[in-house]
Amino acid sequence: ETGVTQTPRHLVMGMTNKKSLKCEQHLGHNAMYWYKQSAKKPLELMFVYSLEERVENNSVPSRFSPECPNSSHLFLHLHTLQPEDSALYLCASSFRVETATGELFFGEGSRLTVL
Amino acid sequence: SQQGEEDPQALSIQEGENATMNCSYKTSINNLQWYRQNSGRGLVHLILIRSNEREKHSGRLRVTLDTSKKSSSLLITASRAADTASYFCATDAQEYGNKLVFGAGTILRVKS
Repeated sequence: ETGVTQTPRHLVMGMTNKKSLKCEQHLGHNAMYWYKQSAKKPLELMFVYSLEERVENNSVPSRFSPECPNSSHLFLHLHTLQPEDSALYLCASSFRVETATGELFFGEGSRLTVL
Repeated sequence: SQQGEEDPQALSIQEGENATMNCSYKTSINNLQWYRQNSGRGLVHLILIRSNEREKHSGRLRVTLDTSKKSSSLLITASRAADTASYFCATDAQEYGNKLVFGAGTILRVKS
């Protein structure tokens, strides 16, 4: 248990569906992240939020829409996805965005399958 | 090649043996971190080594950093079946906006 909870753990959706992934952290951290992990590829940083403000968007397609209503919650809204978007989506948090002093705490991930 | 690249891609050893994984990177870094991931689970932080450090220990883990060669190694001594997992290095570098950049990982299998 890392203090970062992701739901759902597994999600299957069609290309026309709209769904959301949720992440919640109880660590008092100020920064939250979404990563995408595809088979045999390095983790890809998608979005970074610091104190509920988006500070990074790594050229992610608009069919992925993040939302950070407060420093404890992070959502990833999914719409009109493609089969190649199937992956493990990992949420992480840290005390602050600058990583020189600390580590990332990851959730267990949401396994997404797009049919 | 990418910023963080682990070697080997996969490693299979017997329980009790030592496992060594290597990470090479391209730019100057602030720190380097190692993470572990059990199959289908999230990543768990193992150890952080700063650019001015050469070696760190944590239990059965030993990490070295050679900034002149832009490389790091993770040694797991007296391995156990429970050490079976993927291991990732992640670098924090100014060139990458001080965000962690992960490698593709080494898959370690420890046979009992």
